[in-house]
Amino acid sequence: GQQLNQSPQSMFIQEGEDVSMNCTSSSIFNTWLWYKQDPGEGPVLLIALYKAGELTSNGRLTAQFGITRKDSFLNISASIPSDVGIYFCAGQVQGAQKLVFGQGTRLTINP
Amino acid sequence: GAVVSQHPSWVICKSGTSVKIECRSLDFQATTMFWYRQFPKQSLMLMATSNEGSKATYEQGVEKDKFLINHASLTLSTLTVTSAHPEDSSFYICSALNSAGGNEQFFGPGTRLTVL
Repeated sequence: GQQLNQSPQSMFIQEGEDVSMNCTSSSIFNTWLWYKQDPGEGPVLLIALYKAGELTSNGRLTAQFGITRKDSFLNISASIPSDVGIYFCAGQVQGAQKLVFGQGTRLTINP
Repeated sequence: GAVVSQHPSWVICKSGTSVKIECRSLDFQATTMFWYRQFPKQSLMLMATSNEGSKATYEQGVEKDKFLINHASLTLSTLTVTSAHPEDSSFYICSALNSAGGNEQFFGPGTRLTVL
């Protein structure tokens, strides 16, 4: 089946540092999504990407949809304590409503 | 807008009992809802697609007779874990698509199931 390879699995950074994580796939996706999940809660959508090459920002977050449609990255600039959590990428193929999730990146911030 | 609730938020049950989890779209109608399972420190795995008024579509490897899904109204889908066993302990999350349009899935807060 389709799989998304997300890296890194975990990150330990200092407050104020920038963060970068990415997802790759052997399959083409028509939509890439990035979610954040806090402990014991459901995922919350951060950024949605719909076109190859698209670069979209949401505050300190920036994400890009790879030209090949097989990858995406998420950057967080100037990290703050509330950025702590698990970040998931998710892909959606054309015509399908189902989402395929990456393995997640656990972000820990040292104050 | 686009709020999805789940009830209960957590449940502890004895092995062999059945547990029902509700997923409700509070301010929109949802013809389609999804049920996911998430084990500790792992990703969300889609279990099934719940369709209002018709049978659910289960992902490969998910037992439909064990995980009963009922989507009887446009705002409610239920997942019943029948004869639960400790290995069914997990975080169950639902999501809903707005029938009015769009492809964004709105996620519920999840239900923590612990089977003793």
